[in-house]
Amino acid sequence: EVHLVESGGALVQPGGSLRLSCAASGFTFSDHYIDWVRQVPGKGLEWLGRTRNKAKSYTTEYAASVKDRFTISRDNSKNSVYLQMNSLEVEDTAVYYCVRVPTSGSKSYYFDYWGQGTPVTVSS
Amino acid sequence: AIQLTQSPSSLSASVGDRVTITCRASQGISNILGWYQQKPGKAPKLLIYAAFNLESGVPSRFSGSGSGTDFTLTISSLQPEDFATYYCQQVNSFPVTFGGGTKVEIK
Repeated sequence: EVHLVESGGALVQPGGSLRLSCAASGFTFSDHYIDWVRQVPGKGLEWLGRTRNKAKSYTTEYAASVKDRFTISRDNSKNSVYLQMNSLEVEDTAVYYCVRVPTSGSKSYYFDYWGQGTPVTVSS
Repeated sequence: AIQLTQSPSSLSASVGDRVTITCRASQGISNILGWYQQKPGKAPKLLIYAAFNLESGVPSRFSGSGSGTDFTLTISSLQPEDFATYYCQQVNSFPVTFGGGTKVEIK
């Protein structure tokens, strides 16, 4: 069974840094893209970025709003993806989700599995 | 970035009602659109991909249609477990974007 489990969410001061983790299981990790999505409480969904699979050399993409502050990396030996967030702002307060992105078949590039989310609060 | 505009932003309906939610893209995206359901305190769940393909395990009362810029999610007979917020999503180009959501509430 596919599982994605985020961790690392916390209360952090503006200007601070935080690293979120996403532990994956139940599928061939290196075959899949993994994305990060966030949701401000009571608001909509915002895509943050992607790490591609082995076939695409694990390249990354980012939303313009976080490109210079957030970095996505992955450790395939641990089936884990990380979101390093620097220079955090109050507006980064949200629940952060990692999602699995299939790359074969008609469901390619949709978000077929989501973690439960980890909350990040940026406040002084 | 491709903008997705959902309407309505909220609606009230009764069990058994037919419900239709629309999603309009700011430019053509062929049929590269998905729909997600989110219940309070839970992660979103994929319902429909590629505009009209039902995700495994999703009840057949859910259906999707459309192509180009205009898309529709229909619930043919609303059930108590369908009260939730629904989002459309385009994966045609970066950045991936979502609609603003439609909250389906009990009348």
